[in-house]
Amino acid sequence: AQSVTQLDSHVSVSEGTPVLLRCNYSSSYSPSLFWYVQHPNKGLQLLLKYTSAATLVKGINGFEAEFKKSETSFHLTKPSAHMSDAAEYFCVVGRSGGYQKVTFGTGTKLQVIP
Amino acid sequence: NAGVTQTPKFQVLKTGQSMTLQCAQDMNHNSMYWYRQDPGMGLRLIYYSASEGTTDKGEVPNGYNVSRLNKREFSLRLESAAPSQTSVYFCASSWTGGDTGELFFGEGSRLTVL
Repeated sequence: AQSVTQLDSHVSVSEGTPVLLRCNYSSSYSPSLFWYVQHPNKGLQLLLKYTSAATLVKGINGFEAEFKKSETSFHLTKPSAHMSDAAEYFCVVGRSGGYQKVTFGTGTKLQVIP
Repeated sequence: NAGVTQTPKFQVLKTGQSMTLQCAQDMNHNSMYWYRQDPGMGLRLIYYSASEGTTDKGEVPNGYNVSRLNKREFSLRLESAAPSQTSVYFCASSWTGGDTGELFFGEGSRLTVL
């Protein structure tokens, strides 16, 4: 069994300040973990993924996430927010064998204030 | 590169009407998926096709049917639409295998059932 909890449904930051989007997971297996981004009226796009290699994962557009097994967390961070980062972000937990076995979080909407 | 293409982008139906959502991918992926996205609920898997010639139910299959027409195309049919099927529908594709890699999404089909 697996589940994923995104702790904030909305996050608001000022342009140029750090971004933190929180995700906790539960899994009976060694999990694969993903962050996807969805811009308005678009499909989802992969930001980064963790699949049991390095615990600090770097993704596109300056985002990174750290896998912390002891805390069952996979929080997404970025040092400095840009206006183009305004979007909805989804944390996803799964295991090997295809996307029929993954669970999506409910999403966090990031607002960036100029 | 077109990636994953969905049609139509918008549709309004009356209760009881039927319709088919079309999806095609040009990345030679083995697996294809249909998701629905509802506010506050993340993405939920309706049906998937792990490879050409196979289809299986996901988390919320009731009221839907699918056809994997060939390796490129995967359609979703609503036989008798209900207001509860008002949603945004996403088609996606990926490689199949031990490593759950990237999921590629279409831009969505916004369906309203009156």
